[in-house]
Amino acid sequence: AQTVTQSQPEMSVQEAETVTLSCTYDTSESDYYLFWYKQPPSRQMILVIRQEAYKQQNATENRFSVNFQKAAKSFSLKISDSQLGDAAMYFCAYRPWMDSSYKLIFGSGTRLLVRP
Amino acid sequence: DGGITQSPKYLFRKEGQNVTLSCEQNLNHDAMYWYRQDPGQGLRLIYYSQIVNDFQKGDIAEGYSVSREKKESFPLTVTSAQKNPTAFYLCASSMDRYSGNTIYFGEGSWLTVV
Repeated sequence: AQTVTQSQPEMSVQEAETVTLSCTYDTSESDYYLFWYKQPPSRQMILVIRQEAYKQQNATENRFSVNFQKAAKSFSLKISDSQLGDAAMYFCAYRPWMDSSYKLIFGSGTRLLVRP
Repeated sequence: DGGITQSPKYLFRKEGQNVTLSCEQNLNHDAMYWYRQDPGQGLRLIYYSQIVNDFQKGDIAEGYSVSREKKESFPLTVTSAQKNPTAFYLCASSMDRYSGNTIYFGEGSWLTVV
């Protein structure tokens, strides 16, 4: 069974600095998708970034970028120039390519605190 | 605006009662999902539907039921058989069943047993 592990329950960063959130996953599949979702205090899940496993190039979205290491099954999120609005829970998620449920498998989350 | 609307935002259930959480989307998405989130944890899949009049159990379907009579609607009923229903419930949808499509979420509903 596929699993997603986020080993950092909580991280803290100074405003304007850079922070990296870790995520590892376990799968025997070769094709899949990976996502980072942000959950602010409002609790709505907001897509931050996605990565297709068949793409070697790391995805970027403005201040957010990933370091995708397929062989190591690692998918970390880097947030540059951190802002107070970045404070939230961040969830790493995996979605298999060929799966009848097409569901997302989530990690347990990392709470990001941003210090002013 | 296009999106996913969940209601009510907060719901209280007495022991032995069934309650229904509403989920409506106007994104013209084929696939819809219900997830449950417990404090300090990630999301777990309850039920999913890929097309109208079809739905499948997820990982924690016991004590829950759904229907998919319309493309835009996917209500979740929490039955009295669900022993620990207090949680945050998130409805989601995606364009179709292909795994490459991003899943979008509603704003969620809090259910508390009193």
